[in-house]
Amino acid sequence: GQQLNQSPQSMFIQEGEDVSMNCTSSSIFNTWLWYKQDPGEGPVLLIALYKAGELTSNGRLTAQFGITRKDSFLNISASIPSDVGIYFCAGQSIYNQGGKLIFGQGTELSVKP
Amino acid sequence: GAVVSQHPSRVICKSGTSVKIECRSLDFQATTMFWYRQFPKQSLMLMATSNEGSKATYEQGVEKDKFLINHASLTLSTLTVTSAHPEDSSFYICSASPTRSPEAFFGQGTRLTVV
Repeated sequence: GQQLNQSPQSMFIQEGEDVSMNCTSSSIFNTWLWYKQDPGEGPVLLIALYKAGELTSNGRLTAQFGITRKDSFLNISASIPSDVGIYFCAGQSIYNQGGKLIFGQGTELSVKP
Repeated sequence: GAVVSQHPSRVICKSGTSVKIECRSLDFQATTMFWYRQFPKQSLMLMATSNEGSKATYEQGVEKDKFLINHASLTLSTLTVTSAHPEDSSFYICSASPTRSPEAFFGQGTRLTVV
Protein backbone atom coordinates (compact mmCIF):
# COMPACT_ATOMS: atom_id res chain seq x y z
CA GLY A 1 0.00 0.00 0.00
CA GLN A 2 0.88 3.65 -0.09
CA GLN A 3 3.61 4.75 2.32
CA LEU A 4 5.08 7.99 3.43
CA ASN A 5 8.76 8.61 2.86
CA GLN A 6 10.30 8.79 6.33
CA SER A 7 13.94 9.58 6.98
CA PRO A 8 16.36 8.76 8.29
CA GLN A 9 15.78 5.02 8.63
CA SER A 10 18.03 4.83 11.66
CA MET A 11 20.00 7.12 13.92
CA PHE A 12 22.77 6.45 16.42
CA ILE A 13 23.31 9.39 18.73
CA GLN A 14 24.93 10.31 22.02
CA GLU A 15 22.80 11.03 25.05
CA GLY A 16 22.04 14.72 25.25
CA GLU A 17 22.05 15.31 21.51
CA ASP A 18 19.06 16.64 19.61
CA VAL A 19 17.32 14.48 17.01
CA SER A 20 15.32 15.38 13.92
CA MET A 21 13.34 13.14 11.59
CA ASN A 22 10.85 13.90 8.86
CA CYS A 23 8.19 12.52 6.58
CA THR A 24 7.13 13.57 3.13
CA SER A 25 4.20 12.63 0.97
CA SER A 26 3.34 13.09 -2.67
CA SER A 27 -0.23 13.98 -1.76
CA ILE A 28 -1.81 16.50 0.60
CA PHE A 29 -2.58 15.36 4.13
CA ASN A 30 -5.12 16.81 6.55
CA THR A 31 -3.68 15.13 9.66
CA TRP A 32 -0.19 14.15 10.76
CA LEU A 33 0.47 11.89 13.72
CA TRP A 34 3.73 10.84 15.32
CA TYR A 35 4.07 7.56 17.21
CA LYS A 36 6.78 5.78 19.19
CA GLN A 37 6.96 2.00 19.33
CA ASP A 38 8.97 0.04 21.87
CA PRO A 39 9.96 -3.58 21.11
CA GLY A 40 7.03 -5.95 21.45
CA GLU A 41 4.54 -3.17 22.08
CA GLY A 42 1.97 -1.26 20.08
CA PRO A 43 2.71 2.29 18.90
CA VAL A 44 1.99 5.09 21.34
CA LEU A 45 0.72 8.44 20.10
CA LEU A 46 3.16 11.28 20.80
CA ILE A 47 1.82 14.28 18.91
CA ALA A 48 -1.14 14.99 16.65
CA LEU A 49 -1.16 17.85 14.09
CA TYR A 50 -4.24 19.16 12.29
CA LYS A 51 -3.37 22.44 10.54
CA ALA A 52 -0.77 23.48 8.02
CA GLY A 53 2.03 25.30 9.80
CA GLU A 54 0.99 24.01 13.22
CA LEU A 55 3.86 23.57 15.67
CA THR A 56 3.13 21.43 18.73
CA SER A 57 5.27 20.35 21.66
CA ASN A 58 5.02 17.47 24.10
CA GLY A 59 7.81 17.80 26.64
CA ARG A 60 11.11 17.47 24.79
CA LEU A 61 9.31 16.59 21.57
CA THR A 62 8.27 19.14 18.96
CA ALA A 63 6.50 18.40 15.70
CA GLN A 64 5.34 20.59 12.84
CA PHE A 65 2.75 20.21 10.09
CA GLY A 66 4.40 21.47 6.91
CA ILE A 67 2.92 24.48 5.16
CA THR A 68 2.58 22.56 1.92
CA ARG A 69 0.61 19.89 3.85
CA LYS A 70 2.90 17.29 2.32
CA ASP A 71 5.45 16.98 5.08
CA SER A 72 6.04 16.93 8.81
CA PHE A 73 9.03 16.76 11.13
CA LEU A 74 9.63 15.59 14.67
CA ASN A 75 12.41 16.93 16.85
CA ILE A 76 13.60 15.44 20.12
CA SER A 77 15.77 17.67 22.25
CA ALA A 78 18.36 16.54 24.79
CA SER A 79 17.87 12.85 24.09
CA ILE A 80 17.94 10.32 26.93
CA PRO A 81 18.31 6.52 26.86
CA SER A 82 14.57 5.91 27.20
CA ASP A 83 14.03 7.70 23.86
CA VAL A 84 15.28 4.52 22.20
CA GLY A 85 12.68 2.96 19.95
CA ILE A 86 11.11 3.22 16.51
CA TYR A 87 9.33 6.42 15.60
CA PHE A 88 6.60 6.37 12.96
CA CYS A 89 4.89 9.20 11.21
CA ALA A 90 1.35 8.59 10.05
CA GLY A 91 -1.15 10.69 8.21
CA GLN A 92 -4.58 10.90 6.73
CA SER A 93 -4.71 11.87 3.10
CA ILE A 94 -7.37 14.32 1.92
CA TYR A 95 -8.52 11.40 -0.16
CA ASN A 96 -8.96 9.49 3.08
CA GLN A 97 -10.98 6.36 2.79
CA GLY A 98 -12.79 5.65 6.02
CA GLY A 99 -10.20 6.88 8.50
CA LYS A 100 -7.27 4.86 7.22
CA LEU A 101 -3.81 5.99 8.25
CA ILE A 102 -0.79 5.85 5.98
CA PHE A 103 2.46 5.05 7.80
CA GLY A 104 6.07 5.94 7.23
CA GLN A 105 8.72 3.25 7.23
CA GLY A 106 9.91 4.23 10.69
CA THR A 107 13.06 5.75 12.18
CA GLU A 108 14.95 3.52 14.59
CA LEU A 109 16.64 5.61 17.26
CA SER A 110 19.55 4.37 19.34
CA VAL A 111 20.92 6.50 22.16
CA LYS A 112 24.33 5.85 23.60
CA PRO A 113 24.62 6.81 27.29
CA GLY B 1 -5.16 9.39 25.72
CA ALA B 2 -7.77 6.79 25.00
CA VAL B 3 -7.02 3.19 25.93
CA VAL B 4 -7.17 0.19 23.63
CA SER B 5 -6.62 -3.24 25.12
CA GLN B 6 -5.54 -6.20 23.02
CA HIS B 7 -5.53 -9.80 24.21
CA PRO B 8 -3.64 -12.09 24.31
CA SER B 9 -0.22 -10.44 24.13
CA ARG B 10 1.44 -13.72 23.16
CA VAL B 11 0.09 -16.97 21.79
CA ILE B 12 1.68 -20.14 20.49
CA CYS B 13 -0.49 -22.52 18.54
CA LYS B 14 -0.10 -25.64 16.45
CA SER B 15 -0.41 -25.62 12.67
CA GLY B 16 -3.97 -26.12 11.56
CA THR B 17 -5.59 -24.63 14.63
CA SER B 18 -7.36 -21.27 14.90
CA VAL B 19 -6.47 -18.37 17.13
CA LYS B 20 -8.70 -15.49 18.21
CA ILE B 21 -7.33 -12.06 19.11
CA GLU B 22 -9.49 -9.47 20.86
CA CYS B 23 -9.29 -5.72 20.60
CA ARG B 24 -11.26 -3.57 23.04
CA SER B 25 -11.65 0.17 23.35
CA LEU B 26 -11.88 0.66 27.11
CA ASP B 27 -13.04 4.24 27.50
CA PHE B 28 -14.59 5.18 24.19
CA GLN B 29 -16.75 3.76 21.45
CA ALA B 30 -15.34 2.97 18.05
CA THR B 31 -17.46 2.26 15.00
CA THR B 32 -14.29 1.44 13.12
CA MET B 33 -11.20 -0.47 14.19
CA PHE B 34 -8.19 -1.45 12.15
CA TRP B 35 -6.05 -4.58 12.13
CA TYR B 36 -2.39 -4.48 11.20
CA ARG B 37 0.39 -6.97 10.75
CA GLN B 38 3.99 -6.06 11.43
CA PHE B 39 7.16 -7.90 10.48
CA PRO B 40 10.42 -7.29 12.37
CA LYS B 41 12.01 -3.92 11.67
CA GLN B 42 9.19 -2.98 9.32
CA SER B 43 6.26 -0.62 9.35
CA LEU B 44 2.65 -1.54 10.04
CA MET B 45 0.79 -3.18 7.21
CA LEU B 46 -2.95 -2.62 7.20
CA MET B 47 -4.85 -5.88 6.85
CA ALA B 48 -8.45 -4.85 7.21
CA THR B 49 -10.93 -2.29 8.47
CA SER B 50 -13.39 -3.63 11.01
CA ASN B 51 -16.82 -2.00 10.85
CA GLU B 52 -19.29 -2.34 13.69
CA GLY B 53 -22.41 -4.12 12.56
CA SER B 54 -21.23 -4.79 9.03
CA LYS B 55 -18.64 -6.74 7.09
CA ALA B 56 -14.98 -5.94 7.39
CA THR B 57 -13.13 -4.39 4.48
CA TYR B 58 -9.96 -6.24 3.57
CA GLU B 59 -6.87 -4.83 1.91
CA GLN B 60 -5.71 -6.26 -1.36
CA GLY B 61 -3.95 -9.57 -0.92
CA VAL B 62 -5.41 -10.35 2.51
CA GLU B 63 -7.48 -13.53 2.57
CA LYS B 64 -10.80 -12.78 4.23
CA ASP B 65 -11.53 -16.46 4.83
CA LYS B 66 -8.25 -16.88 6.65
CA PHE B 67 -8.41 -13.72 8.75
CA LEU B 68 -11.96 -13.55 10.06
CA ILE B 69 -12.99 -10.25 11.61
CA ASN B 70 -16.02 -9.68 13.78
CA HIS B 71 -17.02 -6.29 15.20
CA ALA B 72 -20.08 -7.15 17.22
CA SER B 73 -20.14 -4.10 19.48
CA LEU B 74 -18.86 -0.54 19.60
CA THR B 75 -16.01 -1.56 21.91
CA LEU B 76 -14.91 -4.97 20.65
CA SER B 77 -13.41 -6.32 17.46
CA THR B 78 -11.94 -9.79 17.07
CA LEU B 79 -9.50 -11.22 14.55
CA THR B 80 -9.47 -14.98 14.11
CA VAL B 81 -6.57 -16.54 12.26
CA THR B 82 -8.02 -19.76 10.89
CA SER B 83 -6.07 -22.90 10.04
CA ALA B 84 -2.87 -21.18 11.08
CA HIS B 85 0.42 -21.98 9.36
CA PRO B 86 3.96 -21.07 10.40
CA GLU B 87 4.00 -18.26 7.81
CA ASP B 88 1.16 -16.63 9.75
CA SER B 89 3.55 -16.09 12.64
CA SER B 90 3.79 -12.36 13.12
CA PHE B 91 2.98 -9.39 15.34
CA TYR B 92 -0.67 -8.36 14.99
CA ILE B 93 -1.84 -4.95 16.21
CA CYS B 94 -5.25 -3.32 16.34
CA SER B 95 -6.16 0.33 16.52
CA ALA B 96 -9.29 2.32 17.22
CA SER B 97 -10.28 5.98 17.06
CA PRO B 98 -12.94 7.78 19.05
CA THR B 99 -15.83 8.83 16.83
CA ARG B 100 -14.89 11.68 14.47
CA SER B 101 -11.33 11.77 15.79
CA PRO B 102 -8.45 11.07 13.43
CA GLU B 103 -6.21 10.05 16.33
CA ALA B 104 -5.68 6.31 16.34
CA PHE B 105 -4.86 4.49 19.56
CA PHE B 106 -3.19 1.12 19.39
CA GLY B 107 -3.46 -2.06 21.38
CA GLN B 108 -0.38 -3.66 22.89
CA GLY B 109 -0.06 -6.10 20.02
CA THR B 110 -0.21 -9.90 19.86
CA ARG B 111 2.83 -12.00 19.07
CA LEU B 112 1.54 -15.09 17.25
CA THR B 113 3.84 -18.06 16.82
CA VAL B 114 2.59 -21.05 14.84
CA VAL B 115 4.56 -24.25 15.36
